Amino acid sequence: EAGVAQSPRYKIIEKRQSVAFWCNPISGHATLYWYQQILGQGPKLLIQFQNNGVVDDSQLPKDRFSAERLKGVDSTLKIQPAKLEDSAVYLCASSLAGVSPLHFGNGTRLTVT
Amino acid sequence: GIQVEQSPPDLILQEGANSTLRCNFSDSVNNLQWFHQNPWGQLINLFYIPSGTKQNGRLSATTVATERYSLLYISSSQTTDSGVYFCAVDSGGYNKLIFGAGTRLAVHP
Repeated sequence: EAGVAQSPRYKIIEKRQSVAFWCNPISGHATLYWYQQILGQGPKLLIQFQNNGVVDDSQLPKDRFSAERLKGVDSTLKIQPAKLEDSAVYLCASSLAGVSPLHFGNGTRLTVT
Repeated sequence: GIQVEQSPPDLILQEGANSTLRCNFSDSVNNLQWFHQNPWGQLINLFYIPSGTKQNGRLSATTVATERYSLLYISSSQTTDSGVYFCAVDSGGYNKLIFGAGTRLAVHP
């Protein structure tokens, strides 16, 4: 079974630029999550999708972050414009619907200079 | 919101030693998962354990939901066990996991 796929693995941008991350969940997983992990901390949930609907985006900085999952499969997370404090690893995870184990991708390490 | 505290924050072991990692949470939960983040950053799901005890090889976990804690046991540790161990919980039933700060484990040969 293929795992959660993310790209790119690394991205370096200057502040005020825009960036996009892509995620393809495990086949059949209805729920998709984007987490932000700042160095030395645990992951923090940004947004959770159930199929193509948003379940929770209360921690998403909506003035600069956006995410979509148009066809209920893959998803993109965008930051525009980026700030220095956005430097982090962005992790995508997926799970079956309901309460079930999460499976994470390898993440995208973003550096904002 | 629910608070998750993990202890100890750091742990250094010699290969072959046993260890116990603890996760305390501030409210009742219906979902608790343990993860291992290896030195390359990959997060691996170890256990989905809202209550009871589970074992997987050298690892086992116990959650006592009524007392709001969970324990992760690592026996006969190996260098490949190094990394950060995270406990994550959800109390709302939507699989919205809140992560602790982690326990950083280093196993030396």
